[in-house]
Amino acid sequence: DSGVTQTPKHLITATGQRVTLRCSPRSGDLSVYWYQQSLDQGLQFLIQYYNGEERAKGNILERFSAQQFPDLHSELNLSSLELGDSALYFCASSARGGAQETQYFGPGTRLLVL
Amino acid sequence: GNSVTQMEGPVTLSEEAFLTINCTYTATGYPSLFWYVQYPGEGLQLLLKATKADDKGSNKGFEATYRKETTSFHLEKGSVQVSDSAVYFCALSDQTGNQFYFGTGTSLTVIP
Repeated sequence: DSGVTQTPKHLITATGQRVTLRCSPRSGDLSVYWYQQSLDQGLQFLIQYYNGEERAKGNILERFSAQQFPDLHSELNLSSLELGDSALYFCASSARGGAQETQYFGPGTRLLVL
Repeated sequence: GNSVTQMEGPVTLSEEAFLTINCTYTATGYPSLFWYVQYPGEGLQLLLKATKADDKGSNKGFEATYRKETTSFHLEKGSVQVSDSAVYFCALSDQTGNQFYFGTGTSLTVIP
């Protein structure tokens, strides 16, 4: 158990809809990362937050957004969903978001868009 | 730009066989390199890491050496066990810590 929790575990929705994925980092970790894992694109970095502020952006679509709240939990919002958004979404956390730090991954949220 | 290329799988080995999973990278500056492992139905977990050239990361019998001259970080284990069956990801964090790149993953199955 990494100490990172993600809810829900599974989500089934329809095209055009909007969903919110939630992540709670390990106790004491200030930085949160979001990743998308799909069969055709592998594991892709989406976005990183540190202590409530956006720190880095990867391949995140404009339809997607995220935030980190004062209690350090984070939410990833996916809107105008398309079939291709079906994937496993991972959250990870680290102490301060440094380049050399280990990231601790949650179990993921599996999203299926029908 | 930065990228990670790792050996395609799947790889199937007999118990006690020698394992090598190749990983090469492209990056500017001095990235940190990682191997993560994903067991079925679970999230990724760190296996080992190296943060500067010539560093060797090791854990649970696995080893990888950060080779800047060949831009490689190959994963090795001398004697695999059935419990090592998993997907292995090579990853890179650029020196700013602002971008993270993962390889496509290599699935390993160890048979008794």
